[in-house]
Amino acid sequence: AQKVTQAQTEISVVEKEDVTLDCVYETRDTTYYLFWYKQPPSGELVFLIRRNSFDEQNEISGRYSWNFQKSTSSFNFTITASQVVDSAVYFCALSVGNTDKLIFGTGTRLQVFP
Amino acid sequence: GAGVSQSPSNKVTEKGKDVELRCDPISGHTALYWYRQSLGQGLEFLIYFQGNSAPDKSGLPSDRFSAERTGGSVSTLTIQRTQQEDSAVYLCASSVTSGGSTTDTQYFGPGTRLTVL
Repeated sequence: AQKVTQAQTEISVVEKEDVTLDCVYETRDTTYYLFWYKQPPSGELVFLIRRNSFDEQNEISGRYSWNFQKSTSSFNFTITASQVVDSAVYFCALSVGNTDKLIFGTGTRLQVFP
Repeated sequence: GAGVSQSPSNKVTEKGKDVELRCDPISGHTALYWYRQSLGQGLEFLIYFQGNSAPDKSGLPSDRFSAERTGGSVSTLTIQRTQQEDSAVYLCASSVTSGGSTTDTQYFGPGTRLTVL
């Protein structure tokens, strides 16, 4: 069975702090994709990153970076120098199989205070 | 270009009534997905379309739920005889394609918030 675990329900930080959101996944498939989505208070899910199981290179995009480690089945997301606008719920998701349906974690609510 | 659109944005209905939720995917996207987001269940997959066919309906919670897609574009999710536990945000997503050698990114619409009184 496939599963995504986001153990951190809620994180609060002060602006300019760095913060890491954890994501652990389970799957027996050798080919799979991992995603992160952001859901701001407006409610719409915004795509952040897609990573396939064969590419373990870390990725950096501005203040965002992702650490993919197959050895620990983790795909963690770090925001550097957080800003108030980063406040949102962040979802990690796994996609496997022929239909590519997404299996979501329960999300981590990030609150960044000024 | 235009993103995924959904209508209505909010729907309030009485228990027992039928509702229809509409999704317009991004133009040219052949794959379409419906998900549901509720407090108790989180984000869960409902149904997937490739073109007009639905090869995966495994997430539909009961036979009161059905969906169709016409012309490879617009999709309608229908809930018959609504119950209070159907209250949730229904999200639609589309991607260029699916099921091939790679997985395309799913882009989500703003959702329809359904409240069953």
